[in-house]
Amino acid sequence: KAGVTQTPRYLIKTRGQQVTLSCSPISGHRSVSWYQQTPGQGLQFLFEYFSETQRNKGNFPGRFSGRQFSNSRSEMNVSTLELGDSALYLCASSLWGVREKLFFGSGTQLSVL
Amino acid sequence: DQQVKQNSPSLSVQEGRISILNCDYTNSMFDYFLWYKKYPAEGPTFLISISSIKDKNEDGRFTVFLNKSAKHLSLHIVPSQPGDSAVYFCAAEGHTGTASKLTFGTGTRLQVTL
Repeated sequence: KAGVTQTPRYLIKTRGQQVTLSCSPISGHRSVSWYQQTPGQGLQFLFEYFSETQRNKGNFPGRFSGRQFSNSRSEMNVSTLELGDSALYLCASSLWGVREKLFFGSGTQLSVL
Repeated sequence: DQQVKQNSPSLSVQEGRISILNCDYTNSMFDYFLWYKKYPAEGPTFLISISSIKDKNEDGRFTVFLNKSAKHLSLHIVPSQPGDSAVYFCAAEGHTGTASKLTFGTGTRLQVTL
């Protein structure tokens, strides 16, 4: 069974640009959640999608958005990039939600210059 | 406001000894707790979880203890092995209506030495 796939693995952008990250969950998993990891801040919850609906959202500005498609694949978008957006972005999938065992992808390392 | 705190950024333990990783939380609405392990360049992997109706859960070398009155949980690894060297995150989950949200701590880097 293939794991969670995130693309691209690395990304370099400049301030003001926008970026789209992609996540393909494990087959059959309907919940996809996204996290930002920065040094000293741990993993911070961005949002969770289930059956194409956003079920919950963390405390991030509106520049961070996402969506989920009918095949459960998910994308995350960050507009008007800031230096502080440099981080590892992780997505995780599960059958039903974040309360159960999550399977994480290897992440997308975003650097904003 | 950090609702889940791992106050020890790092821990070094000798192979074969016990590793104890601690986690404190402030939100009394949290009712489910999980531990994840992360190696460099990989995503976190699930280790063990515990519901607030229990005070202990064991899985092989890993045991999680929950003290609800102190809002404290700990992960015990016995015996520690070099392959356990990784960053460990505790996470807490609580419901707001039907919405479920996971809050992670900042992580503890465990190094198991020979």
